[in-house]
Amino acid sequence: DVKVTQSSRYLVKRTGEKVFLECVQDMDHENMFWYRQDPGLGLRLIYFSYDVKMKEKGDIPEGYSVSREKKERFSLILESASTNQTSMYLCACEGGHDEQYFGPGTRLTVT
Amino acid sequence: GENVEQHPSTLSVQEGDSAVIKCTYSDSASNYFPWYKQELGKRPQLIIDIRSNVGEKKDQRIAVTLNKTAKHFSLHITETQPEDSAVYFCAASRNSGGYQKVTFGTGTKLQVIP
Repeated sequence: DVKVTQSSRYLVKRTGEKVFLECVQDMDHENMFWYRQDPGLGLRLIYFSYDVKMKEKGDIPEGYSVSREKKERFSLILESASTNQTSMYLCACEGGHDEQYFGPGTRLTVT
Repeated sequence: GENVEQHPSTLSVQEGDSAVIKCTYSDSASNYFPWYKQELGKRPQLIIDIRSNVGEKKDQRIAVTLNKTAKHFSLHITETQPEDSAVYFCAASRNSGGYQKVTFGTGTKLQVIP
């Protein structure tokens, strides 16, 4: 079974803080993704990476950046957190048959 | 870009009845259509998928149908049980240079009433 883990289940940060969300997968998959999940909006793609040090913007990249220094680790960075970034953040990696494996999610609250 | 619409947003059924969730997509290049189930407080998990060269796929009580001409696909759950209660997401996916570009629907909250 593919294992995708995220560094925190719950996180509370203040407006303006720099926030790091970490994701680790154990199956040597190349493609990794960051989504945010909001009620009524489904899952929206923020950024993805198809290899180490490679990244592409998704549908809602504004206010976010990413880092992939090692194949197994994909980090999402909120440079200056704002209240409208309060959300559930889900990391995923792509399996060998196009399916996605998700991490448990990080519920971020920005106050 | 791809646009995926999912209906209904909420669905309540009596235990033992069937449930149907419908999705439409806009990009004719989409070729992979997975369905994910997300139980309360848990991560989304793949439950069934279908590719564009297949019209129907079944796995025990769940089935998915695809109509490429009309660009719509549906999830069918028969003999529903309380443990089927969850949020279900459809998705449309296309190959985009070495990765799958996935667009998700907005989700359907299914409640199975015992």
